[in-house]
Amino acid sequence: QQQVKQSPQSLIVQKGGISIINCAYENTAFDYFPWYQQFPGKGPALLIAIRPDVSEKKEGRFTISFNKSAKQFSLHIMDSQPGDSATYFCAADALYNQGGKLIFGQGTELSVKP
Amino acid sequence: SQTIHQWPATLVQPVGSPLSLECTVEGTSNPNLYWYRQAAGRGLQLLFYSVGIGQISSEVPQNLSASRPQDRQFILSSKKLLLSDSGFYLCAWSVQPPYTQYFGPGTRLTVL
Repeated sequence: QQQVKQSPQSLIVQKGGISIINCAYENTAFDYFPWYQQFPGKGPALLIAIRPDVSEKKEGRFTISFNKSAKQFSLHIMDSQPGDSATYFCAADALYNQGGKLIFGQGTELSVKP
Repeated sequence: SQTIHQWPATLVQPVGSPLSLECTVEGTSNPNLYWYRQAAGRGLQLLFYSVGIGQISSEVPQNLSASRPQDRQFILSSKKLLLSDSGFYLCAWSVQPPYTQYFGPGTRLTVL
């Protein structure tokens, strides 16, 4: 019940295309859902995050879509660029139950071809 | 602004040797601190987290230990390294809800 399942494990997209990464969870106590971007040899960096009181959040080319009833959330990267090639992690936290223990998905390795 | 430091950046150690990795955070007080291990460049495994000085929670039983001697200092240790301890070790910090975690640059450990 503590797991966050992420798919696909790897993704190849052409430059200018849309990259979509999906995550699903079981624990209904989760109420904070961040996405992290990690380049090789670097620590993960926060990309965008959403709370369950909204169904979508957009920051530039990055959009999180959230479906509370289905317990699913996804990251959409519009107009994907070669510089977006990285590993992406979704995560979830129950802020008032656990207070800061993120549960991470297994990661998606994105490759954007020029 | 807040900054997180980890050292060393890379480390090659023989099996059976001791380990000490250090993480420090600047620009914030009383952060939650975390140690993660990442194997094969993929999933993040939470090893330890701390909500205050001397308060350490272990997530995975293994031959590693953690200590927090000062508010913004977190140390990962081992008395005898195993081959399976090789990996990319990441320290992270967070404060207050929503407890967004901010990661350090990591230490690449290779045990031979």
